[in-house]
Amino acid sequence: IQLTQSPSSLSASVGDRVTITCRASQGISNYLVWYQQKPGKAPKLLIYAASILQSGVPSRFSGSGSGADFTLTISSLQPEDFATYYCQQFNSYPATFGPGTKVDIK
Amino acid sequence: QAQLVQSGTEVKKTGASVKVSCEASGYTFTDYYMHWVRQAPGQGLEWMGWIDTKSGDTKYGQEFQGRVTMTRDTSISTVYMEVNSLTSDDAAVYYCARGVGRTSSARLVPWGQGTLVVVSS
Repeated sequence: IQLTQSPSSLSASVGDRVTITCRASQGISNYLVWYQQKPGKAPKLLIYAASILQSGVPSRFSGSGSGADFTLTISSLQPEDFATYYCQQFNSYPATFGPGTKVDIK
Repeated sequence: QAQLVQSGTEVKKTGASVKVSCEASGYTFTDYYMHWVRQAPGQGLEWMGWIDTKSGDTKYGQEFQGRVTMTRDTSISTVYMEVNSLTSDDAAVYYCARGVGRTSSARLVPWGQGTLVVVSS
């Protein structure tokens, strides 16, 4: 299963609403996970089962979607949110990742 | 809380093998699978496979079949990932990550800090 993400990068300002899309090459129900990765650090789990917020993750992060189309939304971008975001599917192995979306400062 | 600590940077020659360790703490080791993910410099994440820490069963991505071996030592709550016949394409940061949940709730948390593998000719 191939995952594509759009955009591949975006520039945004603090306080902006940001939406990242992940599309699967076939339906994956809601077997979709989102991670955040900062330079030189391991990825951090944000959302699983497409829309369940991991404990401790700020509520400005939300996920939605089912089937083949998914979105990650940051309602009000904060300085610590500038990072690269990856989606991953667990519908079938290999548990592929999307290519990532880099969010940087405008 | 659950924590994964990986072994340090490795520098290897082309054609050699490398074995990376990942020590788990803060939870019952055999209750969870362990996954491995790698990231080449400046690139995205690539899922490599998992090991069932209870049975030792493994599942590898097709690209890694026959060249990667995942093992575990339950007595010290440690998993190992070995890559044989290294090429420059294997130069990457390798992460272990605990697999949590089943079916739609499956996810990787936490992750180890990563192990840099440098491959030189």
